[in-house]
Amino acid sequence: EDQVTQSPEALRLQEGESSSLNCSYTVSGLRGLFWYRQDPGKGPEFLFTLYSAGEEKEKERLKATLTKKESFLHITAPKPEDSATYLCAVQAMKTSGSRLTFGEGTQLTVNP
Amino acid sequence: EPEVTQTPSHQVTQMGQEVILRCVPISNHLYFYWYRQILGQKVEFLVSFYNNEISEKSEIFDDQFSVERPDGSNFTLKIRSTKLEDSAMYFCASSSDRGTEAFFGQGTRLTVV
Repeated sequence: EDQVTQSPEALRLQEGESSSLNCSYTVSGLRGLFWYRQDPGKGPEFLFTLYSAGEEKEKERLKATLTKKESFLHITAPKPEDSATYLCAVQAMKTSGSRLTFGEGTQLTVNP
Repeated sequence: EPEVTQTPSHQVTQMGQEVILRCVPISNHLYFYWYRQILGQKVEFLVSFYNNEISEKSEIFDDQFSVERPDGSNFTLKIRSTKLEDSAMYFCASSSDRGTEAFFGQGTRLTVV
């Protein structure tokens, strides 16, 4: 069974204080790992897709990296508007219907 | 920017009633999905749909649930005989291909009373 574990559950940062979120996964053959941002009461908003170990993607203050067992979402000099829940999801090679398995998420709060 | 739209945003229904949740996926996408998120819990896969048939479904997606693409633009989730535990946010999503990112709608909050 595919599993995704995210840590920490919650993270509180001061504006400008850089940090990283972790996503550990177990999947029998990774097709892709996806990062999403979710604001309260809203749907997940796509951020990044990573397909192979060593791959990195960047967007503004966010950078996602991937190894064979985990992914990190690095947040550099965060701003209050980066406050959200960040979700990690994996898609297995074996899935016939492109199923995503999500983690519980990391709730990020950035204080001004 | 193209987006997935869902209606209604909030639906309240009595236990035992049937509900239909509606979605308009991104127009050139071929793969469609329903996920749900119970309050405070993680997003869970329900079903995926491609080429007018279900391509994968989870253990949650039992005979109580059905999906349909009644025309070229809409994608619906029907829940028959709703139960209290069906209360959740239901998200529709679509993607252009297998393995590519899925784009989610803003969700329908279903409350069963």
